[in-house]
Amino acid sequence: LAKTTQPISMDSYEGQEVNITCSHNNIATNDYITWYQQFPSQGPRFIIQGYKTKVTNEVASLFIPADRKSSTLSLPRVSLSDTAVYYCLGGSGNTPLVFGKGTRLSVIA
Amino acid sequence: DAGVIQSPRHEVTEMGQEVTLRCKPISGHDYLFWYRQTMMRGLELLIYFNNNVPIDDSGMPEDRFSAKMPNASFSTLKIQPSEPRDSAVYFCASSPIGSGDKETQYFGPGTRLLVL
Repeated sequence: LAKTTQPISMDSYEGQEVNITCSHNNIATNDYITWYQQFPSQGPRFIIQGYKTKVTNEVASLFIPADRKSSTLSLPRVSLSDTAVYYCLGGSGNTPLVFGKGTRLSVIA
Repeated sequence: DAGVIQSPRHEVTEMGQEVTLRCKPISGHDYLFWYRQTMMRGLELLIYFNNNVPIDDSGMPEDRFSAKMPNASFSTLKIQPSEPRDSAVYFCASSPIGSGDKETQYFGPGTRLLVL
């Protein structure tokens, strides 16, 4: 399983773009990068997943460089409701994902 | 689809009592996971099942913990006897993995356990 490293916490003002970078130096060839979001008193929720280059959905964008040793989750124009913990995980369909401590994002008005 | 269902949502018990947590996964999902979350240790995987068979229980903290999945639509996590350090939020998740390379886990709302 890929070991991931991400910042413990980040602060942002409303309306700004937030980029959370995750390092995964030992990612395997067949591993995907997946990001989850967790609000207080709720279970984690899938946000986005990618293998390389860029993936975009209605919630976020995920940038993965060619060497795949890192990835960046981009949240456009955050609002107070984006305050949550964001987890970066690496893995494939053959093994379960392992959650780390995540990044606690605080959005300030 | 109702999503992953867990019960009870909250449980308060006294040390030494037996606690049983229940989970109903999303229909058609092959994998079921039990996690425990605390402030100190974060989200820890306890055990997971594939087609009702336990695959990896190395995350189960000790013999006081046991999990079963008697059928595809039901799983239990039991703690006997319970201790104050077991206080945590316990999540159940299910996943349709097994048919491809990608994996997405769907989490239930969790059971908040407090052992006094």
